[in-house]
Amino acid sequence: IAGITQAPTSQILAAGRRMTLRCTQDMRHNAMYWYRQDLGLGLRLIHYSNTAGTTGKGEVPDGYSVSRANTDDFPLTLASAVPSQTSVYFCASSASLRRGHGYTFGSGTRLTVV
Amino acid sequence: SQQGEEDPQALSIQEGENATMNCSYKTSINNLQWYRQNSGRGLVHLILIRSNEREKHSGRLRVTLDTSKKSSSLLITASRAADTASYFCATGGGSSNTGKLIFGQGTTLQVKP
Repeated sequence: IAGITQAPTSQILAAGRRMTLRCTQDMRHNAMYWYRQDLGLGLRLIHYSNTAGTTGKGEVPDGYSVSRANTDDFPLTLASAVPSQTSVYFCASSASLRRGHGYTFGSGTRLTVV
Repeated sequence: SQQGEEDPQALSIQEGENATMNCSYKTSINNLQWYRQNSGRGLVHLILIRSNEREKHSGRLRVTLDTSKKSSSLLITASRAADTASYFCATGGGSSNTGKLIFGQGTTLQVKP
């Protein structure tokens, strides 16, 4: 089934630990995105990638890093987790960044930092 | 910073009634999109309307866009209990280098059977 796979589904993480959230798509979409969703704040863009090999910062990039070694994978890394990073993280993709296209979202990773 | 603001924040209607949600935004856009999110799930793309379009239909959905007022509305006709979800508008930038979507905070719709 074409779409986006995120892993893990949920995680409880000790503060200070490093963690990588995985995101894989099989639609050959060029653009990929990471959002976090917090109650009362909606979805906020963390990082994005226009195409394999390029990444860019979104609205709330601090404390997060991404890489885009190939078209399909777009992992999000928290180098040293803090409680304020407790959130639901969504990975998304679209055919193109520059032309308006609908996004396909993954099912999300619920992360709790304690 | 949020670009789109949905109104109302919450809406409760009876099955069979129409539901209207509104979205206002601040800067010029290339396109505006609506998404649905069921509880605990990811967002699902519903419809995209470009800045040179005024109205678009998809099944029971009707979207309008008024760029002069910087506003959009989503109408769901003959609502069903399965339409219960949060609905988000998202705006895509007006220049070729800002295609990233900015989401509003959403409208929570409850359709009572």
